[in-house]
Amino acid sequence: DADVTQTPRNRITKTGKRIMLECSQTKGHDRMYWYRQDPGLGLRLIYYSFDVKDINKGEISDGYSVSRQAQAKFSLSLESAIPNQTALYFCATSDDAGNIQYFGAGTRLSVL
Amino acid sequence: EDKVVQSPLSLVVHEGDTVTLNCSYEVTNFRSLLWYKQEKKAPTFLFMLTSSGIEKKSGRLSSILDKKELFSILNITATQTGDSAIYLCAVLTSGTYKYIFGTGTRLKVLA
Repeated sequence: DADVTQTPRNRITKTGKRIMLECSQTKGHDRMYWYRQDPGLGLRLIYYSFDVKDINKGEISDGYSVSRQAQAKFSLSLESAIPNQTALYFCATSDDAGNIQYFGAGTRLSVL
Repeated sequence: EDKVVQSPLSLVVHEGDTVTLNCSYEVTNFRSLLWYKQEKKAPTFLFMLTSSGIEKKSGRLSSILDKKELFSILNITATQTGDSAIYLCAVLTSGTYKYIFGTGTRLKVLA
């Protein structure tokens, strides 16, 4: 079983819909991250959380929200999806030393 | 503004060639530099570098960091088709513990 699991793996939705991407981890890490990846732009940080009570905005948080339901769960929501949110989304975790990140397999989201 | 720049953006080589991928950075509060390989799915960890001049090696891959000139290189010798991937460089900043990623280098190795 994967250490970092993302669901769904693929999602197609329409403009204006609210959707949630989920991430769970079995590594016991406190730190969790959400990134989006676009061609030519690399990985950009959306939100990150260093423990259940700690939520921080990344460089591109507008249009997104997150919820840290438990140490193992960190979900990303698009309140009203728009086409330029079409991207590959990754969840990642790291330990308190914060050195190595472990990534989920990604969610490919298309907003029509 | 913190940034990480990778070059080249893409590269096509033949099996057996040696390639060098570059990563330069400008960040405040540098902690470490990491290299990841991304095939069709999640990025997977290759190396973490924290000290200048100390080469890290794993098989045909090696990497080194220069903290004075603010760059790192990733070398792959005797390339194979299985090396085809996007190679990502990331810098971890201390204090905020945020990772800043470069855009990646897309490597294609032809048989």
